[in-house]
Amino acid sequence: EDQVTQSPEALRLQEGESSSLNCSYTVSGLRGLFWYRQDPGKGPEFLFTLYSAGEEKEKERLKATLTKKESFLHITAPKPEDSATYLCAVQADGSGNTGKLIFGQGTTLQVKP
Amino acid sequence: DAGVTQSPTHLIKTRGQQVTLRCSPISGHKSVSWYQQVLGQGPQFIFQYYEKEERGRGNFPDRFSARQFPNYSSELNVNALLLGDSALYLCASSLGGTGAPLHFGNGTRLTVT
Repeated sequence: EDQVTQSPEALRLQEGESSSLNCSYTVSGLRGLFWYRQDPGKGPEFLFTLYSAGEEKEKERLKATLTKKESFLHITAPKPEDSATYLCAVQADGSGNTGKLIFGQGTTLQVKP
Repeated sequence: DAGVTQSPTHLIKTRGQQVTLRCSPISGHKSVSWYQQVLGQGPQFIFQYYEKEERGRGNFPDRFSARQFPNYSSELNVNALLLGDSALYLCASSLGGTGAPLHFGNGTRLTVT
């Protein structure tokens, strides 16, 4: 069964304290791995898509990397406005033509000034 | 450009009632998906439509149904509401195709009492 697990569930950082969020996945075949940011009361906001092991994407203080079993979202020198829930999702071969995404439960990040 | 828009933003219904949620995709996007997000969890796939045809259905009962209109907007219907249907219902649109990212609206918060 296709599955996505994120860790930790919650993370508290001081402003400027870099860290990483983990997304482990087991799928029959990976079509794409997606990172989203979700603020309270809002829908998920698309951040990155990664397609193959070794691929990296960057946006401001965020950098996403991908291996055959997991993905990391590295946050460098975070600011309070980076506080949000970060969701990881995969699109697997087993999804057929649906484009269905399988989400993890998310990591809630709080950055204190 | 306008993003994905959903209406209404909030809804309170009584157990046993029926509800219709609406979604307008990003201009040019022909694929619309529906997800249910329970508090503290990642979104769960309900349906995907592409060019007005159902492409996939998640593990939800037949009380859930959807359709897509010629202008690519979509409706999600839920009959015989249960307390457990209380959740954030998210609509997402995409260009379709393997690995295409989904772009989410801000959802409809449904409360069943």
